[in-house]
Amino acid sequence: DTAVSQTPKYLVTQMGNDKSIKCEQNLGHDTMYWYKQDSKKFLKIMFSYNNKELIINETVPNRFSPKSPDKAHLNLHINSLELGDSAVYFCASSQEEVSSGNTIYFGEGSWLTVV
Amino acid sequence: AQSVAQPEDQVNVAEGNPLTVKCTYSVSGNPYLFWYVQYPNRGLQFLLKYITGDNLVKGSYGFEAEFNKSQTSFHLKKPSALVSDSALYFCAVRANTGGFKTIFGAGTRLFVKA
Repeated sequence: DTAVSQTPKYLVTQMGNDKSIKCEQNLGHDTMYWYKQDSKKFLKIMFSYNNKELIINETVPNRFSPKSPDKAHLNLHINSLELGDSAVYFCASSQEEVSSGNTIYFGEGSWLTVV
Repeated sequence: AQSVAQPEDQVNVAEGNPLTVKCTYSVSGNPYLFWYVQYPNRGLQFLLKYITGDNLVKGSYGFEAEFNKSQTSFHLKKPSALVSDSALYFCAVRANTGGFKTIFGAGTRLFVKA
C-alpha cells in the first residue's frame, strides 16, 4: 500500500542508452512531479503534471521526456544518457487544494548511475 | 521569485539537548512553509507545515516550527534531540497565490551525538 511508488530503485546503465523510470501514486492526487537530487543533495524540480497536463517544465534537456497516461501515473523517459545524468530521481504527488497547503508526498527514489 | 535559505550545512547537537535548524524564505504574498526529513537512501518525508493561523506548528516525531513573518523565518525545533533524529532536513516554501511550484532549500544535515 505504498503511496508513491517508483521503479526501478537502482539503475546502472551505459552512456548513450535510453531508460525509463515509472511512477504510480495511489493517493488520488491530481498533481505529480519529478525531482532530481544531485550528489550534493540539492533537490530541483524537473516537471509537474496537473490532471495529466504539463504545468511545470524547468530547464531540462530535451532528452528528458515525461509521460502521464493518467492522473495516477507519471513516467520519465531519458534518451542518450550522459554521465551528468547520474543522480537520484524522485517522483512525488500532491493534491492541489489551497486550504490544505499542497503537501508533497515523495517516492523512495530511483538511483541512476551512468557509466 | 521564491527562494529558501538554510544557512547551516550541518548542525551538531548532543542527545537530550534542544535542537534548531534554521530556515528563511522569500516569497510574493503569503507563504506555505514546510519541513521535510530525508533518511539515508530514502525519499523525503513530510514533517510539518504552516498554512495560516497559529505561528507555532507541531509535527511528527516531536518536532515543531515557528513562523515569524517579520523575520521571514520558519525554524525547526525539538526540545530534546534523539540520535535517531540524525538525518537531512529540508525547508520548503510555496506561495499561496497560485502556481504549482514548491521550492526546497539546500538541506541541513543534523547530527545528534550520543
